Amino acid sequence: NAGVTQTPKFQVLKTGQSMTLQCAQDMNHNSMYWYRQDPGMGLRLIYYSASEGTTDKGEVPNGYNVSRLNKREFSLRLESAAPSQTSVYFCASSAGQSIWEYFGPGTRLTVT
Amino acid sequence: GENVEQHPSTLSVQEGDSAVIKCTYSDSASNYFPWYKQELGKRPQLIIDIRSNVGEKKDQRIAVTLNKTAKHFSLHITETQPEDSAVYFCAAIPGGSYIPTFGRGTSLIVHP
Repeated sequence: NAGVTQTPKFQVLKTGQSMTLQCAQDMNHNSMYWYRQDPGMGLRLIYYSASEGTTDKGEVPNGYNVSRLNKREFSLRLESAAPSQTSVYFCASSAGQSIWEYFGPGTRLTVT
Repeated sequence: GENVEQHPSTLSVQEGDSAVIKCTYSDSASNYFPWYKQELGKRPQLIIDIRSNVGEKKDQRIAVTLNKTAKHFSLHITETQPEDSAVYFCAAIPGGSYIPTFGRGTSLIVHP
């Protein structure tokens, strides 16, 4: 039982490049989330997926797209990276309402 | 939407002292309040949670209290140890939702 996994762990991009962050969970959770973490800003929700086949915007969705590929996988895509997207990205999953959230190990992204 | 304020942003204590972190929330519909600990370079991990039908919950050296009338909840750590040094996040989740709103975090430093 690996929990929530993310790839890659580190990434450096040049402005304008694109990339996809991958996330997978093996706990049969319905809900999955993408957060970004910046110093002093806490955890801010980018997108979430309540269940397979649905996605919704969170607090800071601009510049990102997501895909809920199946129940296990939820990917985050940056189409044209900007320096403001330099951050640590966490994927998380939960069993639903008022249930624990499990976080992945994070991806540290730097955009130059 | 929900708004969560967390104080203090930094807390420095001596080993053996107690530490208290306070959060306030705005949405009276919030009924689930988890706390997360994030060690440097690692993922947030749930350490304790409380539901709105309970006023206090304890787990060894950690306790959480909830005052629904005043819309605030607090994390109490007794007999602090150096390994308690981390960033702590509170969160609030409205009933019927699965989307937590996080506070901005408290950096707890325990000096040996």
